[in-house]
Amino acid sequence: DAKTTQPPSMDCAEGRAANLPCNHSTISGNEYVYWYRQIHSQGPQYIIHGLKNNETNEMASLIITEDRKSSTLILPHATLRDTAVYYCVFGGSQGNLIFGKGTKLSVKP
Amino acid sequence: NAGVTQTPKFRILKIGQSMTLQCTQDMNHNYMYWYRQDPGMGLKLIYYSVGAGITDKGEVPNGYNVSRSTTEDFPLRLELAAPSQTSVYFCASSRQGGQPQHFGDGTRLSIL
Repeated sequence: DAKTTQPPSMDCAEGRAANLPCNHSTISGNEYVYWYRQIHSQGPQYIIHGLKNNETNEMASLIITEDRKSSTLILPHATLRDTAVYYCVFGGSQGNLIFGKGTKLSVKP
Repeated sequence: NAGVTQTPKFRILKIGQSMTLQCTQDMNHNYMYWYRQDPGMGLKLIYYSVGAGITDKGEVPNGYNVSRSTTEDFPLRLELAAPSQTSVYFCASSRQGGQPQHFGDGTRLSIL
């Protein structure tokens, strides 16, 4: 069973920020939170990851709550090409990740 | 810069046939993984390897076998294909276990 909980779908207007939430209440202290996305049926694409602190890269920002039980992925200016399924995952030190069904983000003009 | 390469991209098998899905990476990554993805679902881990000669079971290993004789290659073997193994198979690699995984484009397998 998936260890994360995400809304099944979300809509976002083009140019607006997309905020995708994830609950991961069973995460251990040394496990990272990773975000991936999958466009159409391509292989998942890594977006960002974090442990405790908020993180930002050229694609997105990751906000992790102080208790580490939830996080939010932020796409600051969503484009049509950001339409995809977004997965929030975490796993053991061996990298054995468990993916849930993710959130289908639809960016609309 | 090839990354993770999977072959074939598509395949149709008959029940009971066997085949090997190939996966190779050119990033000198230690860790490699095999996932399957059924329609409308997330990925499920089949097997993974932390280095040449070392493999371990994931969440759904039944009906599959793997080997890791080199750092670059991690083939997945189906011995007796069953309809329940119809799926899209993704191979991935990472430098170490806790680092981001790089995925291939997948192999779409249908068993009829």
